[in-house]
Amino acid sequence: AQSVAQPEDQVNVAEGNPLTVKCTYSVSGNPYLFWYVQYPNRGLQFLLKYITGDNLVKGSYGFEAEFNKSQTSFHLKKPSALVSDSALYFCAVRDSWGKLQFGAGTQVVVTP
Amino acid sequence: EAGVTQFPSHSVIEKGQTVTLRCDPISGHDNLYWYRRVMGKEIKFLLHFVKESKQDESGMPNNRFLAERTGGTYSTLKVQPAELEDSGVYFCASSPNLGDTQYFGPGTRLTVL
Repeated sequence: AQSVAQPEDQVNVAEGNPLTVKCTYSVSGNPYLFWYVQYPNRGLQFLLKYITGDNLVKGSYGFEAEFNKSQTSFHLKKPSALVSDSALYFCAVRDSWGKLQFGAGTQVVVTP
Repeated sequence: EAGVTQFPSHSVIEKGQTVTLRCDPISGHDNLYWYRRVMGKEIKFLLHFVKESKQDESGMPNNRFLAERTGGTYSTLKVQPAELEDSGVYFCASSPNLGDTQYFGPGTRLTVL
């Protein structure tokens, strides 16, 4: 069985500081990893994905994620957080049939 | 290009009533998925259509839930009769091909009283 874990329920960061949202995974075989974001009263928006290739994946809104096979991690990062980045972030792993398995989500709060 | 749309955005019903949720995927997307997030917990997979066929319905909680995708276009998810524990946000997602990125709709927030 495959799974992802987001160890932090909430991450607080000051605007302008680096933002990191943690995700670890457990899969058999090659991992297909995704990050989605849910802004208040909105649906899930796709940020980025890792399928194969470079370990550093760049996505929307200035976000990037680093795939680390030895640590089985796929942490989401942004060099300089904005207040508008405050949202709920979900890490997910996809199986061979397309089904996504999500982490519990991490609430990001960026303060001015 | 229009995104995934869901209707209604909110639904409040009483226990025992019936509710039907609708999802319109992005045009041309053969793959349609239903997920739900209950009580602030993890987003859980419900089922997956490929065109009009159910590819995987392993996540459907019980036989009170019925999903259809007649004609391979929009999909409906009916809950009959609704129970309190069915409250949550129901998301629909679509993708062109199996394994492609899934694009989500805004969700339907269901409240069962």
